[in-house]
Amino acid sequence: DAGVIQSPRHEVTEMGQEVTLRCKPISGHDYLFWYRQTMMRGLELLIYFNNNVPIDDSGMPEDRFSAKMPNASFSTLKIQPSEPRDSAVYFCASSGGVQGIQFFGPGTRLTVL
Amino acid sequence: KNEVEQSPQNLTAQEGEFITINCSYSVGISALHWLQQHPGGGIVSLFMLSSGKKKHGRLIATINIQEKHSSLHITASHPRDSAVYICAVRTGNQFYFGTGTSLTVIP
Repeated sequence: DAGVIQSPRHEVTEMGQEVTLRCKPISGHDYLFWYRQTMMRGLELLIYFNNNVPIDDSGMPEDRFSAKMPNASFSTLKIQPSEPRDSAVYFCASSGGVQGIQFFGPGTRLTVL
Repeated sequence: KNEVEQSPQNLTAQEGEFITINCSYSVGISALHWLQQHPGGGIVSLFMLSSGKKKHGRLIATINIQEKHSSLHITASHPRDSAVYICAVRTGNQFYFGTGTSLTVIP
C-alpha cells in the first residue's frame, strides 16, 4: 500500500485565492482526519470523517474552511478566500476505526502571501 | 489551561541513555496516542493506548488511567530517535494534543 497520499506537497498562493488540498486515505480505512500544524498552535484537529460522513468539525477555524469526502478514497480541504494566517502544514491521516493507529500523509505546506 | 501537558519540552540525551517523556491530561479519555514527528516533518503514530502498557522494539508506552498520566520510554537511545514526540488524547468526539517534547540524542 502506498500509504496516505496528499497533494500538492507545497502550495504558495496569494491572499484571497482559493486553495484546495487533496487526500487519498489508505484503502479500507474508514476514518479520515484533517490536521493543521503551526509553530504557534502546534498540531490541531480540524475535522474528521467516518465512512465519508463528517463526525466532528469543531476544529474548523471559520467558514472560509470546508472539507468534503465524496467517496471512501478521496477527501478535499478547501480554503476560500485564503489569508496569510492560514499558512501552515496540513496533514491528512486515516485509520481503521477511531481507536486505531492513525497513518499520516506527508503533509501539504501552504504559504499564503 | 491545556487539556494535555507534556514534559519536558526539550530533552537532550547521550546515545544509549534511557529516556522518559511524560504526558498528563485533565479530561476523561477513551484513548491516548503517542506520535513521533521527524525533523523532516513526517508524522508517525507510535502507540494507541487505552490501558496498561505496550512495547514496540526499544519503545515502551504506559498509561495510568486513574492518575491521568502516560509515559513514553526509549531504551538504549540512538541519534535516529531525535524527533518531536507528541501526546494526543481522545475524549468523545474531541481530540486534544500536547505541544510536544523535542528530543535530541547526541552520539
